[in-house]
Amino acid sequence: AQRVTQPEKLLSVFKGAPVELKCNYSYSGSPELFWYVQYSRQRLQLLLRHISRESIKGFTADLNKGETSFHLKKPFAQEEDSAMYYCALLDNYGQNFVFGPGTRLSVLP
Amino acid sequence: GAGVSQSPRYKVAKRGQDVALRCDPISGHVSLFWYQQALGQGPEFLTYFQNEAQLDKSGLPSDRFFAERPEGSVSTLKIQRTQQEDSAVYLCASSLERGNTEAFFGQGTRLTVV
Repeated sequence: AQRVTQPEKLLSVFKGAPVELKCNYSYSGSPELFWYVQYSRQRLQLLLRHISRESIKGFTADLNKGETSFHLKKPFAQEEDSAMYYCALLDNYGQNFVFGPGTRLSVLP
Repeated sequence: GAGVSQSPRYKVAKRGQDVALRCDPISGHVSLFWYQQALGQGPEFLTYFQNEAQLDKSGLPSDRFFAERPEGSVSTLKIQRTQQEDSAVYLCASSLERGNTEAFFGQGTRLTVV
């Protein structure tokens, strides 16, 4: 069964500290992995996807197929990074995003 | 507007009432998704359209839920005989094509069943 887990409901770090939001998945095929972010009072939006191998707003995520993980990392957190972060996978048919429960990141001054 | 638009933004329904939620996707987007997001949880897949064809409705929780996209553009999610457990935010998303492309989300409709 397709499943995405995010073990931390809430993660609090101080400004300038490194941050890692954990994501693990279970899927029998080769899924595409994404991170979506929802800032306060805004709609859910794409942060990054693994195939792009890009860094957005200083965030990176590496797909580790051996550990079935796609953790989101940033070396120096900023207050404006405070938001809800959702890890998601897209199935092989490209028609079903499966989301994790989300982690609320709070960056303290 | 350039984004996905959903209406109404908020809906309060009495238990047993029927409701209809509307989604206007981005023009030209082939794929359209509906999700249900309960409080404190991530979005849960309900159904998927490719143009006017409903290719996957495996996430619809009961036969009280029905979705359509008759002309391959605007979509409506209908819930009949609403129950309290239907209270949630209903999200619509569209993407340019099927497959690994970015999904753009609407702001959602918050449904409260009293």
